[in-house]
Amino acid sequence: QPVLTQPPSSSASPGESARLTCTLPSDFNVENYNIYWYQQKPGSPPRYLLFYFSDSDKGQEIGVPSRFSGSKDASANAGILLISGLQSEDEAEYYCMIWPNNTWVFGGGTKLTVL
Amino acid sequence: QLQLHESGPGRVRPSETLSLTCTVSGGSIRSSPYYWGWIRQPPGKGLEWIGSLYYTGATYYNPSLKNRVAMSVDTSNNQFSLKLPSVTAASTAVYYCARGDILGAFNIWGLGTMVTVSS
Repeated sequence: QPVLTQPPSSSASPGESARLTCTLPSDFNVENYNIYWYQQKPGSPPRYLLFYFSDSDKGQEIGVPSRFSGSKDASANAGILLISGLQSEDEAEYYCMIWPNNTWVFGGGTKLTVL
Repeated sequence: QLQLHESGPGRVRPSETLSLTCTVSGGSIRSSPYYWGWIRQPPGKGLEWIGSLYYTGATYYNPSLKNRVAMSVDTSNNQFSLKLPSVTAASTAVYYCARGDILGAFNIWGLGTMVTVSS
């Protein structure tokens, strides 16, 4: 199974933007996969946010603010979660996931701190 | 509104079998095109997908657990189950059940149940 690499931590101030990355191994081309993103706060189950394949193939879960958006950086072979207009409530752990060949793989997670 | 609820023993002894059940309410486990999954999270660590199954009985397991996991569905009780034999301390985790959608996302989760492997 592939290993999805996420930076362990990230921080930004309220009102700023946070860019969280999820790097795929070189034998898994990010352009071939939906990248799914989850938010998890302490003591709660993960909350599904969105998936991103391309600008014309993406989906936001109902109730997820439009401040959350996905993209890809093909040159880095990475999926990206962009959170704009950061709010204190966005402080959480964020996980990416892919779905190759009827298996599901999570990244290690990024702890986002809103300073 | 669909809800999932995990149930099972909070403590299992090493080398025994961990058995959990997920009860689906507010909808049918036979609803297509959905599938059902188990994901676990050791204390202070990240998420690990264990396996997924369709109501037809088709199953998919994490290759790292393939020979040590079994999932089944009980459509009459709107439940699905997980069995992990020969557990070790490394099996200690919060176990979540979740529903997956046609796009591949686990979009509905149970609250999770903590299972501790200890003698």
